[in-house]
Amino acid sequence: DGGITQSPKYLFRKEGQNVTLSCEQNLNHDAMYWYRQDPGQGLRLIYYSQIVNDFQKGDIAEGYSVSREKKESFPLTVTSAQKNPTAFYLCASSIRGSPSTNEKLFFGSGTQLSVL
Amino acid sequence: EDQVTQSPEALRLQEGESSSLNCSYTVSGLRGLFWYRQDPGKGPEFLFTLYSAGEEKEKERLKATLTKKESFLHITAPKPEDSATYLCAVRGSNYKLTFGKGTLLTVNP
Repeated sequence: DGGITQSPKYLFRKEGQNVTLSCEQNLNHDAMYWYRQDPGQGLRLIYYSQIVNDFQKGDIAEGYSVSREKKESFPLTVTSAQKNPTAFYLCASSIRGSPSTNEKLFFGSGTQLSVL
Repeated sequence: EDQVTQSPEALRLQEGESSSLNCSYTVSGLRGLFWYRQDPGKGPEFLFTLYSAGEEKEKERLKATLTKKESFLHITAPKPEDSATYLCAVRGSNYKLTFGKGTLLTVNP
């Protein structure tokens, strides 16, 4: 089955620690995205990538970093600079990545990150 | 700045009791309005895209409609399996996608 796989499902971070969330897709989509979801708030865009080896900051990129070395993979690192990292993190993809095509997003099942 | 407001925040229905969810928006140049369904602890699942006022789309017990200021998601004779959070999002002329906070729907048997 084609889809987006996020791991782990649950992750705990100690103060001062960097943690990496995995996102892999086998849909052959060009574009991938990271969103953050907090209770009572809409999804907010952290980073997005329209093509391998290129990515752009979203609305709340501070304290996060990404890489896109392979088309299938778009890992997100939550650094120690992110002071309020507790949230539900969602990875998504779309076919071509050009926003003008108005494509729908396909989402993974999410990673819940909590601070110890 | 584009804005999306969903109401109500939560809605509880009895099985078979039809109702509507509202998504009000302000956007510069609407490129598309999206509805997603999200189950607890899962990622959103795409339902519909609407592009212009007057457009309607249906899927099983769900029907989405669009005006120049709002969209409605009508749920006809809902079943307990329709219980979920329903998210609305708009894409404006800058092609940025803005999400609402969602409506939590609970359908009791």
